[in-house]
Amino acid sequence: NFMLTQPHSVSESPGKTVTISCTRSSGSIASNYVQWYQQRPGSSPTTVIYEDNQRPSGVPDRFSGSIDSSSNSASLTISGLKTEDEADYYCQSYDSSNHSWVFGGGTKLTVL
Amino acid sequence: DVQLVESGGGLVQPGGSLRLSCAASGFTFSNYAMHWVRQAPGKGLEYVSAISSNGGSTYYANSVKGRFTISRDNSKNTLYLQMGSLRAEDTAVYYCARGGEDDILTGPDYWGQGILVTVSS
Repeated sequence: NFMLTQPHSVSESPGKTVTISCTRSSGSIASNYVQWYQQRPGSSPTTVIYEDNQRPSGVPDRFSGSIDSSSNSASLTISGLKTEDEADYYCQSYDSSNHSWVFGGGTKLTVL
Repeated sequence: DVQLVESGGGLVQPGGSLRLSCAASGFTFSNYAMHWVRQAPGKGLEYVSAISSNGGSTYYANSVKGRFTISRDNSKNTLYLQMGSLRAEDTAVYYCARGGEDDILTGPDYWGQGILVTVSS
């Protein structure tokens, strides 16, 4: 079993760039794909990144994903921040040891 | 467009049962794994259960194993979650979500609007 740890909150100004980390507690971050979800207040989650770094159609290229084996973490980077990006962001990956889908605790992004 | 519409939520007493349904449209339901994910009030996302495209494989979080049963009817394009021995800590919004095409390992991509289940006396 592993956990995915995210910062509780981050904040940045409009137009700037922010990076949200997601650190895997054990096993390699590269073992299974990482997904990132955006959840605006009162709404369902939507996918912004799948398979580590792929963007679904309709997601702006301001959103990008990556993994870093040296830190055993995944990252979501949002550039050119807009107020509409203010939301909770969750990372997710599959745990093959017990057939479960693990979510990070979520990061609240404030754009101010 | 992919649509997932949950129903069947509501208020139930501790120890009671409830069955959630999720009506799917806009894609070939029988080709996709499906998931249930929940979110307690003010909390993060928690995986609950998953089922393969043909229903032959099912998986559960330890917190619900033995109490919840996931199933699907591909002829009706519907996913189910039978919940029993409900506890206060099961109170949450339950989301139906689409998984991978013929791939149980892939995480959810599309999510329903969610349905609230409240366990309280």
